[in-house]
Amino acid sequence: DTAVSQTPKYLVTQMGNDKSIKCEQNLGHDTMYWYKQDSKKFLKIMFSYNNKELIINETVPNRFSPKSPDKAHLNLHINSLELGDSAVYFCASSQDAGGETQYFGPGTRLLVL
Amino acid sequence: QKEVEQDPGPLSVPEGAIVSLNCTYSNSAFQYFMWYRQYSRKGPELLMYTYSSGNKEDGRFTAQVDKSSKYISLFIRDSQPSDSATYLCATRTGRRALTFGSGTRLQVQP
Repeated sequence: DTAVSQTPKYLVTQMGNDKSIKCEQNLGHDTMYWYKQDSKKFLKIMFSYNNKELIINETVPNRFSPKSPDKAHLNLHINSLELGDSAVYFCASSQDAGGETQYFGPGTRLLVL
Repeated sequence: QKEVEQDPGPLSVPEGAIVSLNCTYSNSAFQYFMWYRQYSRKGPELLMYTYSSGNKEDGRFTAQVDKSSKYISLFIRDSQPSDSATYLCATRTGRRALTFGSGTRLQVQP
C-alpha cells in the first residue's frame, strides 16, 4: 500500500504547455513538500504546506503554483513549460513541519521538448 | 557555494568493504543531520538521523557528526551489492526545509 503516490510517473510535453502533477499521501501527515531533482541529482525544496497552508516558498518562478485541496493532497501546476523545467519532481510528506523523517513519493519525470 | 557539499562519486568498492561517505556544510546553525538512500528511479528514503554532534549506529550503518569541523559521515560495514545506491546527506535548522547534498553514487561489486 503506497504511502506517498504521484501521478503521472512520466510526463513528456512541448515547451509552452501547461501541466499538472498530483500527489497524495495516506500516512495522515500534516506537512507535504515538493522537491525538484536536476540531472546531477541535486534535490532542492520548492514548496511546503502544513495543514493546507503554504509555509515554505523557495525562489521558484511564478509559473509554478502549488495547490493543497486538503492535507492529504498537494498538487503542482506548471504554466508555460520551459526546457529548464525538465527534471524529476518529488513529493514528500512528514508528520509535522519539524519532521526529519520525510517520506518521498516515487517521483515524476518531466521532459520538456 | 552550496550549503552542503558532497563528492558525487561514483565510489566503487568490493563486497564486504567498509564504505565511508562524507559531507561538509557551511551553516553552523544546522542542528539536524540525516542520510537518505536513493535507489535508481526511486524516491529517497531516510536511512539515519542524528541531532547535533556524535555517533549513531543502526546495524551495519553508523552516522557521525562533527559540528566543530562541519563534517558529516556515514559508514557502511560489510557492504553488500544491495547497498548500491545514491546516498544523500541532508541538514536542517529549526523548522526549515531540508537542505540536501548532491549525493554520492555507491557501487558495491559482488
